[in-house]
Amino acid sequence: QLQLQESGPGLVQPSETLSLTCTVSGGSISISSYYWGWIRQPPGKRLEWIGTIYYRGNTYYNPSLKSRVTISVDTSKNQFSLKLTSVSAADTALYYCARHGIHTNNWFDPWGQGTLVTISS
Amino acid sequence: QSALTQPASVSGSPGQSITISCTGTSSDVGSYNLVSWYQRHPGKAPKVMIYEVSKRPSGVSNRFSGSKSGNTASLTISGLQAEDEADYYCCSYARSLTPAWVFGGGTQLTVL
Repeated sequence: QLQLQESGPGLVQPSETLSLTCTVSGGSISISSYYWGWIRQPPGKRLEWIGTIYYRGNTYYNPSLKSRVTISVDTSKNQFSLKLTSVSAADTALYYCARHGIHTNNWFDPWGQGTLVTISS
Repeated sequence: QSALTQPASVSGSPGQSITISCTGTSSDVGSYNLVSWYQRHPGKAPKVMIYEVSKRPSGVSNRFSGSKSGNTASLTISGLQAEDEADYYCCSYARSLTPAWVFGGGTQLTVL
């Protein structure tokens, strides 16, 4: 059974870089037709797609975050990672990773449990 | 990208049916049959309940159904059960120059 687990600091200083990793277990990240995404939900607000990566390194980002986001993949560790630069309180959110498709299987499943990241000094 | 609009809350009694709407635009819901619905219980990971507008993943109760008309998608839960009490989110593919996804604001379902 495929499982995803987010990890990373729960507290980040304003203007610093938020870094999270998603570890995939129970299956390979290097699987054709599946993509790996990051989604977040600030307190009291909607879910927001952040970006997506394919195991070959192709990336797609939310235009509203594109200037600050980098998503990378490490197939040897079966992990993919998120970096968000110049964070502010508005980036405080529950961050999820999830598998999804684009041309097929275009839905998010499964999701990780989520990790809360607070931006504060 | 515009976000999708859902009612903030809905409620129903056990055994009743409820419908949650999800209104988008001609750039997302109206253009693609790629609407999905997610159930999230407190502290739990979201779980896909409906994909491609009306398809149910294996293991999801047939009490859950989805539909779409124009720019509005809907999730219907029939025969409400206490365990259905959760937050529900819709999501639509919304490609412009590159792939993108938009979510609804979420609907809190209360089973009275």
